[in-house]
Amino acid sequence: DIQMTQSPSSLFASVGDRVTITCRASQSISSYLNWYQQKQGKAPKLLIYAASSLQSGVASRVSGSGSGTDFTLTISSLQPEDFATYYCQQSYSTPYSFGQGTKLEIK
Amino acid sequence: EVQLVESGGDLVQPGGSLRLSCAASGFNLRSYWMHWVRQVPGKGLEWVSRINVDGRSTGYAVSVKGRFTISRDNAKNTLYLQMNSLRVEDTAVYFCARAVPWSEGAFEMWGQGTMVPVSS
Repeated sequence: DIQMTQSPSSLFASVGDRVTITCRASQSISSYLNWYQQKQGKAPKLLIYAASSLQSGVASRVSGSGSGTDFTLTISSLQPEDFATYYCQQSYSTPYSFGQGTKLEIK
Repeated sequence: EVQLVESGGDLVQPGGSLRLSCAASGFNLRSYWMHWVRQVPGKGLEWVSRINVDGRSTGYAVSVKGRFTISRDNAKNTLYLQMNSLRVEDTAVYFCARAVPWSEGAFEMWGQGTMVPVSS
C-alpha cells in the first residue's frame, strides 16, 4: 500500500502570507494526487486534482504542483477563510490513502 | 439542489450490522464512480470503498475487506454500504463521495456524513 506523508503537521501563518504544504508518497504515483480542505464539523472540499488541476469554483490563489513522489500545495495570499486542515490523497492505486493532515492556524 | 445525503448511522454493538445509504439528488448517480470515506472524530480521513458506474467493479480498504459491501441502485439514485461484523475501531463519521468524472479517485462532492458509533 502507498503511504502519504504531509509536512508540516501544523502551520501558523497570517492573512496575506504565502504558504506551502508538502506531501510525499512512498512510491511514484505519477500525477495522481489530490488536495482537500476541511473545516471543523464539515465535509472535505476538493481543491486540486491530478496534482495541478484547480477544481471548479476554487480560488485562483490556490495551486498545486509536483509529480512522482513529491507534491506541494501553495496558497499565494492567505485569506481568513483559508484557515483549515488540508489533506493530500493519492488516487494512483487502491487502497487510496490520505496524508495525516496539515492544520493551518492563524498566527 | 445537487447533493448527497447519507443516512442509517446508529449506535451498534460490536459484532453487529448496519446499512448506510447515500441518496443523490439533482444529478444522475449512474454517471459517476462513488466512494465511502470515514473519519474518526478529531482524526484524519480514511478511504473505505469504491464502486464503478454499473456496480460490477468494487474495491475496499484492507481494514474492511470481507466485512463491508458497497453497492448501488442507479434506478433509485442511491449508494449503499453494508457493514457486518462491526468493531469498535469502525466507529467514525462515514461520508459518501462522488468522483470527478475524468479522475475516478478524486472526490468532488461529499455528503454531510453519518455517525456510526460501535460500542457495547
